[in-house]
Amino acid sequence: DVKVTQSSRYLVKRTGEKVFLECVQDMDHENMFWYRQDPGLGLRLIYFSYDVKMKEKGDIPEGYSVSREKKERFSLILESASTNQTSMYLCASRPGHMYNEQFFGPGTRLTVL
Amino acid sequence: QKEVEQDPGPLSVPEGAIVSLNCTYSNSAFQYFMWYRQYSRKGPELLMYTYSSGNKEDGRFTAQVDKSSKYISLFIRDSQPSDSATYLCAMKGNTGFQKLVFGTGTRLLVSP
Repeated sequence: DVKVTQSSRYLVKRTGEKVFLECVQDMDHENMFWYRQDPGLGLRLIYFSYDVKMKEKGDIPEGYSVSREKKERFSLILESASTNQTSMYLCASRPGHMYNEQFFGPGTRLTVL
Repeated sequence: QKEVEQDPGPLSVPEGAIVSLNCTYSNSAFQYFMWYRQYSRKGPELLMYTYSSGNKEDGRFTAQVDKSSKYISLFIRDSQPSDSATYLCAMKGNTGFQKLVFGTGTRLLVSP
């Protein structure tokens, strides 16, 4: 079974803090994704990565950056957390761009106070 | 206008009912259509996917795509309380690197 794990299920941070969200997949997938999920807005793509050290902006990259130094790990960074970044963050991976199914992690509920 | 529209619900039905969940979309380049199920406090998991138009059946679930109307449906027969979840439609094209475009999700509640 494909497993996508996220470093924390719940996280509380203060405005202005630098926040790291970690995602690890164990199936040698090439593509990895970071989404945020908000009521009424659904899943919105923040950043994605084709492969190691490759990254592309998604639909809402402002206020975020990412890092993919190893194939299995994709990190989302909030340089200076703000209250409007309070959300559920979901990481996903898929074998490659010709594949349809994305495998999601359990999500990190981030609250910024 | 959003690329993919989905009624957020909630949709409340009694156990045993037939459930119909729907999405409309505007991008005629979409070729792959998926339904994800998301239980509370969990990540989405793929339920079904279809390519282009037509029907696909898997147990109590049937996915239907009508590309001429840009309309997709998921039918659940003999619904169970364990089907209570949020159902997200997702779709993508088939050229190059394509990201999934998701609907906002429909929350389904099946009461015993």
